[in-house]
Amino acid sequence: DIQMTQSPSSLSASVGDRVTITCRASQSISNYLNWYQQKKGNAPKLLIYGASSLQRGVPSRFSGSGSGTDLTLTISSLQPEDFATYYCQQSYATPFTFGPGTKVDVK
Amino acid sequence: EVQLVESGGGLVQPGRSLRLSCAASGFSFGAFAMHWVRQVPGKGLEWVSGISWNSGSIGYADSVKGRFTISRDNVKNSLFLEMNSLRAEDTALYFCAKQIGDTWVGRISYFDFWGQGTLVTVSS
Repeated sequence: DIQMTQSPSSLSASVGDRVTITCRASQSISNYLNWYQQKKGNAPKLLIYGASSLQRGVPSRFSGSGSGTDLTLTISSLQPEDFATYYCQQSYATPFTFGPGTKVDVK
Repeated sequence: EVQLVESGGGLVQPGRSLRLSCAASGFSFGAFAMHWVRQVPGKGLEWVSGISWNSGSIGYADSVKGRFTISRDNVKNSLFLEMNSLRAEDTALYFCAKQIGDTWVGRISYFDFWGQGTLVTVSS
């Protein structure tokens, strides 16, 4: 099975900050990587698919990059509504696996 | 509007069975792969199982293989998860998720819509 790790596990940031979250796969997953945002009490929401494609309706301050084993989610200018937990997920092979999550909270 | 509504959760004793359902509306259910993802309250997401549009491709997490069975009824626009030999570690909120595309084999796939989940608690 492909193992996914994320760093950091949590971070504190201020509105306007640039935030970067890294996802690492235990083997190459090409660009079969998706990013989700989850707010407390809600279902996850798709942000980025295929490593770098922005889901329709998602603000352009979110971007994804990378390929292979190291992939990144960047929020260019953090907004109040972006405080949440972020998960990466590989769809290269079943069992699909999620990273453990990165919680972004207020500094 | 896409809607996914899970049901069937509840309190069940270890070793017993439970069947979850997901009622889909607002899209051509039979044209898309579907998945179950679970989340222990306060913890991360775990993919449980997925099924392609025609049930030709099915996958399970190692933690549920041999105990859980996924199925679908494209006439009734419904997804199911039959859970047997339940354990305390199966306690979680179970989400139904729609995948873009009819299968995940050989293509980039992702979950574009999610239900709100149904809670399963396994305890004596």
